[in-house]
Amino acid sequence: GAGVSQSPSNKVTEKGKDVELRCDPISGHTALYWYRQSLGQGLEFLIYFQGNSAPDKSGLPSDRFSAERTGGSVSTLTIQRTQQEDSAVYLCASSFMGAGTDTQYFGPGTRLTVL
Amino acid sequence: SQELEQSPQSLIVQEGKNLTINCTSSKTLYGLYWYKQKYGEGLIFLMMLQKGGEEKSHEKITAKLDEKKQQSSLHITASQPSHAGIYLCGADRALLGAGGTSYGKLTFGQGTILTVHP
Repeated sequence: GAGVSQSPSNKVTEKGKDVELRCDPISGHTALYWYRQSLGQGLEFLIYFQGNSAPDKSGLPSDRFSAERTGGSVSTLTIQRTQQEDSAVYLCASSFMGAGTDTQYFGPGTRLTVL
Repeated sequence: SQELEQSPQSLIVQEGKNLTINCTSSKTLYGLYWYKQKYGEGLIFLMMLQKGGEEKSHEKITAKLDEKKQQSSLHITASQPSHAGIYLCGADRALLGAGGTSYGKLTFGQGTILTVHP
């Protein structure tokens, strides 16, 4: 596809359940980022992938959060035992090589609601 | 404290009016990204400024970088309802003059909500 895609677009889950969020970056982009956008917190960095490796996981809020990337392409963000405070919009972005001056292109996001 | 502060936090204008949104860094500002977000959607890249004094325009939107003031401004001329949304500025550590490895980990301002009344 031409842009970054994410699925699902919306996810409603019950507290305690696990969820998986998917990101398909722009073809050929080696760098992939996950961000979270919530009321009162703004847009926060979660994790950065270069290829299949994650050199920076510093933004993951707790060990309930994990992410992987396979084939240097698709990435999955997994949240285990979801809590209400996990409710947010999860945004994925990709860039060509991950340099600080490479433009990051964002997907439409996944809106997660934890009841 | 926020590394990037945007002002105003929200703005309501009548269609046809000009407006300016500012993004100020608490540190050095070598460059900046501007994005626009419509409610429920992802971020749309507007433009990137990479050096002091740089000015870029896209349609009716102009962005400038004042390195001395550690500030960037986004100016919209003759605003239209289609300009409505949330405007976000963001920068990587290299653009903020911080040390260490740069790999595109963006820090964002808190956003400016723009409403344009027809």
